[in-house]
Amino acid sequence: DAKTTQPNSMESNEEEPVHLPCNHSTISGTDYIHWYRQLPSQGPEYVIHGLTSNVNNRMASLAIAEDRKSSTLILHRATLRDAAVYYCILRDDNDMRFGAGTRLTVKP
Amino acid sequence: DAGVIQSPRHEVTEMGQEVTLRCKPISGHDYLFWYRQTMMRGLELLIYFNNNVPIDDSGMPEDRFSAKMPNASFSTLKIQPSEPRDSAVYFCASRPGGVTEAFFGQGTRLTVV
Repeated sequence: DAKTTQPNSMESNEEEPVHLPCNHSTISGTDYIHWYRQLPSQGPEYVIHGLTSNVNNRMASLAIAEDRKSSTLILHRATLRDAAVYYCILRDDNDMRFGAGTRLTVKP
Repeated sequence: DAGVIQSPRHEVTEMGQEVTLRCKPISGHDYLFWYRQTMMRGLELLIYFNNNVPIDDSGMPEDRFSAKMPNASFSTLKIQPSEPRDSAVYFCASRPGGVTEAFFGQGTRLTVV
């Protein structure tokens, strides 16, 4: 899997939008961009994934740069329950390797 | 489906003892992954299987670690002999083929004293 770069930590206020960036300058044409998050004392859980176009689901939106060298996970209204470590990973149909992720703190 | 089921949830053992961690993947999933998570090293991929066959075990730290998947509904990760530095949370995950989401178990917290 190609490498991704994320900030170590970010803070947000409750009920405000959060934009979590991810750089993946060495992405290949077949790599999908996946996001997972890990709540305290739990296993990681899937958030969203995409290839080229922006994607929306009930949890979040994924904005992918036109050159695919970066992407942004958007939480439209952060809640206290969104406090977690967010991982951006690149995948084709093979293994899944996680980096250090971004620790998101949500302040009331 | 009940999701990925790992057992035990917690394990405390003495150095030198054999430890076996167990995982039941979601029915119908072709891929199974074993991870280890520590504060220092983060979430490390140890080994993964496709259709019960080990594909990549390059993350297995040393010969003390072994993993098996005798059938599509069961996998084990064994550490023999265990050492204090093996203390970590071990996660199992499974997913179908294709670029699909993976589902993680709740993890096994292993403490080797």
